[in-house]
Amino acid sequence: DAKTTQPNSMESNEEEPVHLPCNHSTISGTDYIHWYRQLPSQGPEYVIHGLTSNVNNRMASLAIAEDRKSSTLILHRATLRDAAVYYCILSFAGANNLFFGTGTRLTVIP
Amino acid sequence: DAGVTQSPTHLIKTRGQQVTLRCSPKSGHDTVSWYQQALGQGPQFIFQYYEEEERQRGNFPDRFSGHQFPNYSSELNVNALLLGDSALYLCASSLITAGDWNNEQFFGPGTRLTVL
Repeated sequence: DAKTTQPNSMESNEEEPVHLPCNHSTISGTDYIHWYRQLPSQGPEYVIHGLTSNVNNRMASLAIAEDRKSSTLILHRATLRDAAVYYCILSFAGANNLFFGTGTRLTVIP
Repeated sequence: DAGVTQSPTHLIKTRGQQVTLRCSPKSGHDTVSWYQQALGQGPQFIFQYYEEEERQRGNFPDRFSGHQFPNYSSELNVNALLLGDSALYLCASSLITAGDWNNEQFFGPGTRLTVL
């Protein structure tokens, strides 16, 4: 399974944008890039996913490098509710099994 | 919509016992996946069920088995429990549409299993 590398932790001030990086240098052409987050004492929550093009939804934006070896999750205005562990995950196009790493713990400072 | 529900919420067992965990998927979903999350770790994929068959399996021993029923609900069974099986067990559901297997997964709150 292709692996991802994320920083262990990041901090952001409330109401400022947050850029969460993810490296996936061994990604294959058919791997999708998923982002999930897990708030304390809850199950993971879907954030966004994409294949090649940048993606936007109501929660966040996903910027995918042209060579697809890295991606960045962008939260446009961090709120206290965004404090969570963010996981960057690759999944093969024909499967939907998510192999989580250790993720990035985001702390939002009021 | 109740979302994904799991039962029980908490469970305490002793080594060697067997346990069954249950999951009801989000309304309209047809695929159920199970994950194990040890304390301080990310969830680990156990297996996935679709059309009542195990479709994908992670690196877990045969002590872990499952079932999917015609109404899409699912059970996870663990035999011969070990202390290391203590974890949060998460169920996730999704809908496979037009062969697209990469739709978002909705996770339940999990079942906390403690093995003594």
